[in-house]
Amino acid sequence: KQEVTQIPAALSVPEGENLVLNCSFTDSAIYNLQWFRQDPGKGLTSLLLIQSSQREQTSGRLNASLDKSSGRSTLYIAASQPGDSATYLCAVRGNDFQKLVFGTGTRLLVSP
Amino acid sequence: EAGVVQSPRYKIIEKKQPVAFWCNPISGHNTLYWYLQNLGQGPELLIRYENEEAVDDSQLPKDRFSAERLKGVDSTLKIQPAELGDSAVYLCASSLDRYTEAFFGQGTRLTVV
Repeated sequence: KQEVTQIPAALSVPEGENLVLNCSFTDSAIYNLQWFRQDPGKGLTSLLLIQSSQREQTSGRLNASLDKSSGRSTLYIAASQPGDSATYLCAVRGNDFQKLVFGTGTRLLVSP
Repeated sequence: EAGVVQSPRYKIIEKKQPVAFWCNPISGHNTLYWYLQNLGQGPELLIRYENEEAVDDSQLPKDRFSAERLKGVDSTLKIQPAELGDSAVYLCASSLDRYTEAFFGQGTRLTVV
């Protein structure tokens, strides 16, 4: 059974810092991995989708990397802003049933 | 382009009462998911549809939960009767197919009192 872990559970940084969020998964037989953002009381917003054959994916100030063999992904946020404050979730899609399995998220607070 | 639409946004009911949630996926998306999210946790899959067929409902508590996706478009998730432990956020998502990027709706926050 796939298990997804995100570390740290919470992170507080001052505006302008670069930061890294971590995601690890137990079964490396994945099809792809998706990073989401969730604002309080809201649904999930898709940030990046990285295929199992890819090493990284970029969108604006966000960069996601994937090391499938070691079961790890990182989300790098450059020059953080207060508007980046949210919970960030990673989810992996397995080869077999193709369902998304989520981690518990990292709650990020960026202070001005 | 309209995203995934869910209604209602909030629902408060007494225990043992029935409740239903509705989801309209992004046009053209064949795969539809219902997820349950408890406070401080990641979403957990309840059921996944490929068109009108439920292909993964292993996590759906079938004694009280039911779902349908008639005509392979919008979907309804029902709980009857609701229990206190069902209080959570119910999220609907859709994707073009089982392999592609999933997009989520705003969710329905259920409170059972």
